[in-house]
Amino acid sequence: KAGVTQTPRYLIKTRGQQVTLSCSPISGHRSVSWYQQTPGQGLQFLFEYFSETQRNKGNFPGRFSGRQFSNSRSEMNVSTLELGDSALYLCASSPQPGGAEETQYFGPGTRLLVL
Amino acid sequence: DQQVKQNSPSLSVQEGRISILNCDYTNSMFDYFLWYKKYPAEGPTFLISISSIKDKNEDGRFTVFLNKSAKHLSLHIVPSQPGDSAVYFCAASEVNAGKSTFGDGTTLTVKP
Repeated sequence: KAGVTQTPRYLIKTRGQQVTLSCSPISGHRSVSWYQQTPGQGLQFLFEYFSETQRNKGNFPGRFSGRQFSNSRSEMNVSTLELGDSALYLCASSPQPGGAEETQYFGPGTRLLVL
Repeated sequence: DQQVKQNSPSLSVQEGRISILNCDYTNSMFDYFLWYKKYPAEGPTFLISISSIKDKNEDGRFTVFLNKSAKHLSLHIVPSQPGDSAVYFCAASEVNAGKSTFGDGTTLTVKP
């Protein structure tokens, strides 16, 4: 089975721009979560989607949004980019919604640099 | 308020010795705990987990211990190998919460 794929792998943007990141989960997985990892920080939860519905959202401003398509692929969008948005954005999929006993499978991440 | 803490940012051990990575949590509602390993330029990969009804889970060289009263868990790697050098994340979740809460990670270096 192919793993979780994320595109693009690397991205450079300037402040004020917006960016869209894409994630294709493992085939058959219906839950997709997004995390942000910044240097020296753990993985900060952004949001989780299941069956095209956002189930949970982390403590991020409204500039961060996402969606999930009927084929379970997911996109996240960051508008009005700030320097502090520079990070590794990780997507993780699981067969069912996350939580206890649900192992997540992570993609390689998209590294975003905001100049 | 960080609910999952890994107080040691880094750990260095000699090949063949034991590596002990620690994790503390504050949310008593957490009932499932996982460890992930992350190599540079890759996403985290699942390593081992433990349910709150257990106090120990073992998988080969990896053992996770859970002390619920102390809200503390640890990952033991015995014997440590150079290929174990990576960042280790502790994560905790609660039933139906829909997300895992991760610690900041501990960078393990195993020296040959």
